[in-house]
Amino acid sequence: DTAVSQTPKYLVTQMGNDKSIKCEQNLGHDTMYWYKQDSKKFLKIMFSYNNKELIINETVPNRFSPKSPDKAHLNLHINSLELGDSAVYFCASSPRTGGDTGELFFGEGSRLTVL
Amino acid sequence: GQSLEQPSEVTAVEGAIVQINCTYQTSGFYGLSWYQQHDGGAPTFLSYNALDGLEETGRFSSFLSRSDSYGYLLLQELQMKDSASYFCAVKENTGFQKLVFGTGTRLLVSP
Repeated sequence: DTAVSQTPKYLVTQMGNDKSIKCEQNLGHDTMYWYKQDSKKFLKIMFSYNNKELIINETVPNRFSPKSPDKAHLNLHINSLELGDSAVYFCASSPRTGGDTGELFFGEGSRLTVL
Repeated sequence: GQSLEQPSEVTAVEGAIVQINCTYQTSGFYGLSWYQQHDGGAPTFLSYNALDGLEETGRFSSFLSRSDSYGYLLLQELQMKDSASYFCAVKENTGFQKLVFGTGTRLLVSP
């Protein structure tokens, strides 16, 4: 069973389109995250939710809107896609916030290519 | 703000020992994690240090010195499958588990 699963794995689209990436975790974790990894492999946190509540919102264009319908799911919707949005988007989860561990469980990533 | 520095690339041969250093500047430091990522794969957790000293997990060990804002990952008995990118990540003390990742070190292991 996949612990953190994301769909789609690959996404190719045109500039200006709107797209969504979905994430689900079956680990029973309270906290979920979106990270963006650019072509230089730099991993940058975008958002985090704890039990459906937004707790981390980094400086991200408001074209990006996360949604967490329940604590097992975290989706990412991106409006008006731009070339610079091309990246791999990773979903991750952790047991609870403020826990005494630095372990995140990552999904396999969603590679977004904007043409 | 935060910054984490790692060497961009390290090369070694099978069976050798390699050390990947990480220096950081951050407010509210809580701990230092290490992750491994193979090309096309997801980052996977290796180790975490909240206190000074060495943590050993099989062939991998991780060290932290809070006073020096410095840590390292030590990989022993290198194998070809260890070729990957390695990231240090600072856990910030914000009340929530926010991990800020370094730029990554690409390790190339040759026969």
